[in-house]
Amino acid sequence: DIQMTQSPSSLSASVGDRVTITCRASQNISTYLNWYQQKPGKAPKLLIYAASNLQSGVPSRFSGSGSGTDFTLTISTLQLEDFATYYCQQSYNTPRTFGQGTKVEIK
Amino acid sequence: QVQLQESGPGLVKPSETLSLTCTVSGGSISSHYWTWIRQPPGKGLEWIGNLYYSGSTNYNPTLKSRVTISVDMSKNQFSLKLSSVTAADTAVYYCAREGAIAAAGGYYYGMDVWGQGTTVSVSS
Repeated sequence: DIQMTQSPSSLSASVGDRVTITCRASQNISTYLNWYQQKPGKAPKLLIYAASNLQSGVPSRFSGSGSGTDFTLTISTLQLEDFATYYCQQSYNTPRTFGQGTKVEIK
Repeated sequence: QVQLQESGPGLVKPSETLSLTCTVSGGSISSHYWTWIRQPPGKGLEWIGNLYYSGSTNYNPTLKSRVTISVDMSKNQFSLKLSSVTAADTAVYYCAREGAIAAAGGYYYGMDVWGQGTTVSVSS
């Protein structure tokens, strides 16, 4: 199985901050990498697919980059509604695997 | 737009079989992959398995011996059965569509539609 490792596990930030979350795959997955946002009590929501493509309806302050084994999710200007947990997930093969999550909290 | 809704018992006894159904509305189940994911309390997401509308399946090796995912095209539903459950199977269970999305000259899969999730507790 491909292991996905996110860092940090949690972070504290203020509205307006630039936030970066990193995801590393245990093997080369090209750009078969998705990012999801999950708020408490809600289902995850697809933000970015194929490493850098914004899902329809997702604000442009979200961006993704990377290929191979190292990937990044960036929120350019953090908004109140962005406080949530973020997960990366590989779609290179099965079993699909997720990172452990990064919780973005209010400073 | 396509919507998913999980249904099934919220409480299952240890050693019994957990059975959930996901009903697809607003679109046909006759395309895409259909997926089950779970999330234990306070923990991260675990992929259980998926099914292509034709009936082919992929399962998480850690659960493979206990899992069956099937489709009922006539009802636009797909189902999850997890046998011999223990307390470790207590979780919120989500169904999701894994759609093929065109990008960079190819197709990439992402879970683009999710059900709201259903909580299943395993307890006697």
